[in-house]
Amino acid sequence: KAGVTQTPRYLIKTRGQQVTLSCSPISGHRSVSWYQQTPGQGLQFLFEYFSETQRNKGNFPGRFSGRQFSNSRSEMNVSTLELGDSALYLCASKGSGYNEQFFGPGTRLTVL
Amino acid sequence: AQTVTQSQPEMSVQEAETVTLSCTYDTSENNYYLFWYKQPPSRQMILVIRQEAYKQQNATENRFSVNFQKAAKSFSLKISDSQLGDTAMYFCAFMKHEEYFNKFYFGSGTKLNVKP
Repeated sequence: KAGVTQTPRYLIKTRGQQVTLSCSPISGHRSVSWYQQTPGQGLQFLFEYFSETQRNKGNFPGRFSGRQFSNSRSEMNVSTLELGDSALYLCASKGSGYNEQFFGPGTRLTVL
Repeated sequence: AQTVTQSQPEMSVQEAETVTLSCTYDTSENNYYLFWYKQPPSRQMILVIRQEAYKQQNATENRFSVNFQKAAKSFSLKISDSQLGDTAMYFCAFMKHEEYFNKFYFGSGTKLNVKP
């Protein structure tokens, strides 16, 4: 089975722009979660989608949004980028037969 | 609220030696799951080991083992015969079942350097 994939792997944007990140979960996994990873804050939970519905959300401003499609692929959007949004964004999928999450390689976002 | 604490931001160990990474958590739940994840410099996070809270026996995966102390809310990871490939960030994670979803909490990570 193919693992979790994320595109693009690297992004450079400027303040005020918006960005969309994509995540394809492991085949058959319906749960997709997004995390922001920074050196000082560790992994911060953004949100989780299951069967196209957001069922859990972290403590991030409304500039961070996401969605999930019928094939379980998920996108995360960040609008009006700020310097502090520079981070590694990780996607993780989970299947019904597992308790653990499986992570993708991440998208490194740099905001200039 | 659940919290996961990793008190060692960075550790070093000589190749072939044993090292223990600490993790404590705070919860009022009785049923939950604990994990150790490894994130090598290439960034792909992979699962190292898992422990179900209802199991008293400590989990073991080859050179990796845990010391799970439920009453003390402690979940340490022991790496035996350390190898250069063990160099990575290690994250401790806690998961509990909510009504309609599973909620994960991660520690801040421990950077492990294995020296030749």
